[in-house]
Amino acid sequence: DAGVIQSPRHEVTEMGQEVTLRCKPISGHNSLFWYRQTMMRGLELLIYFNNNVPIDDSGMPEDRFSAKMPNASFSTLKIQPSEPRDSAVYFCASRPTGVTEAFFGQGTRLTVV
Amino acid sequence: ELKVEQNPLFLSMQEGKNYTIYCNYSTTSDRLYWYRQDPGKSLESLFVLLSNGAVKQEGRLMASLDTKARLSTLHITAAVHDLSATYFCAVEKGGSNYKLTFGKGTLLTVNP
Repeated sequence: DAGVIQSPRHEVTEMGQEVTLRCKPISGHNSLFWYRQTMMRGLELLIYFNNNVPIDDSGMPEDRFSAKMPNASFSTLKIQPSEPRDSAVYFCASRPTGVTEAFFGQGTRLTVV
Repeated sequence: ELKVEQNPLFLSMQEGKNYTIYCNYSTTSDRLYWYRQDPGKSLESLFVLLSNGAVKQEGRLMASLDTKARLSTLHITAAVHDLSATYFCAVEKGGSNYKLTFGKGTLLTVNP
């Protein structure tokens, strides 16, 4: 298996623009997580899906952030409009049913200028 | 709200020395994970600890879990430069919510 695949790996955008980050979880994993990593705040859980259904979105910073999981093999995290404070590395992770660790993608480094 | 605290946050040590990283958490949980992150890279799973008294070892790293004390330790034996990385512990609140809460990480630098 290729692991969790995220795209793009790097994104530079101007303030106010819409940004869409993409994630393909490991096949067969039914839980998917979006995390944000910054120096100041560390790793923060933004949203968690189970069987394509959003279970906990309490970590989504504000209405500018939205996430979808239209099917078991694809998820998106959208920021509209983007702001410089959104600059961070965004990780997607997936895990199968049962007690096991989450597997992380390579991350998307987002820079909003 | 579940809080996870690691210490130290920064650790500089010499090759060949031993040291321990601590992970304390605030609410009852019996599932704890250790991850490693190299600079600019993703997080790699190291250990999964699922019960009180669990001990796992891989090479120079050994992790343990004391659920009564709400404490996990990651012990480094005879450190080598290749162990330089950031180490995170993550705690899972049980039940149907599989949410992982991460500590802030410990940046380990092993000097020759």
